[in-house]
Amino acid sequence: DAGVIQSPRHEVTEMGQEVTLRCKPISGHNSLFWYRQTMMRGLELLIYFNNNVPIDDSGMPEDRFSAKMPNASFSTLKIQPSEPRDSAVYFCASSPDRVAADTQYFGPGTRLTVL
Amino acid sequence: GESVGLHLPTLSVQEGDNSIINCAYSNSASDYFIWYKQESGKGPQFIIDIRSNMDKRQGQRVTVLLNKTVKHLSLQIAATQPGDSAVYFCAEIVYNQGGKLIFGQGTELSVKP
Repeated sequence: DAGVIQSPRHEVTEMGQEVTLRCKPISGHNSLFWYRQTMMRGLELLIYFNNNVPIDDSGMPEDRFSAKMPNASFSTLKIQPSEPRDSAVYFCASSPDRVAADTQYFGPGTRLTVL
Repeated sequence: GESVGLHLPTLSVQEGDNSIINCAYSNSASDYFIWYKQESGKGPQFIIDIRSNMDKRQGQRVTVLLNKTVKHLSLQIAATQPGDSAVYFCAEIVYNQGGKLIFGQGTELSVKP
């Protein structure tokens, strides 16, 4: 298995632009998670899906952030408009378990820089 | 609020020595704990897990110890190798509180040759 796939690996954009991050979970996994990692705040859970349905989005910082999972093999995290404070590494993870979190497999991350 | 944290932000060990990375947690209702390893430029990688009804679990060169009395978790790495250099995170789950994985701050392990 190729593992969790994320694209792009690096993204540099200007403040105000829309950013879309993409994730392909491991085939057969029921749960998908989006995290943000910064030096100041560590790893933060933004949102997670179970069977393509958003279960908990309490970690999404504000309305500028949105996430979708149109099918079992694809998810997007969108930031519109982007701000410099959104600069971070964004990880997608998937889990084979029906219950939210157990063992999660992480993708390589997308390093986002907002100028 | 409830949190998971690490005692030491950095740890430097000599190659071949054993490493011990510690983690304190505050939620006595935590059901499950996981240790992750994150190498530079990569996502966290699962190392070993332990359920709250256990006090010890062993893997290949790694052992996790859970002391629920003092809410302490540790990761022991035997015969530490340069490839073990990374940031190590402990994480906890409370199933009846949303089941989310909550990560601690991380400890950076540096192995000197």
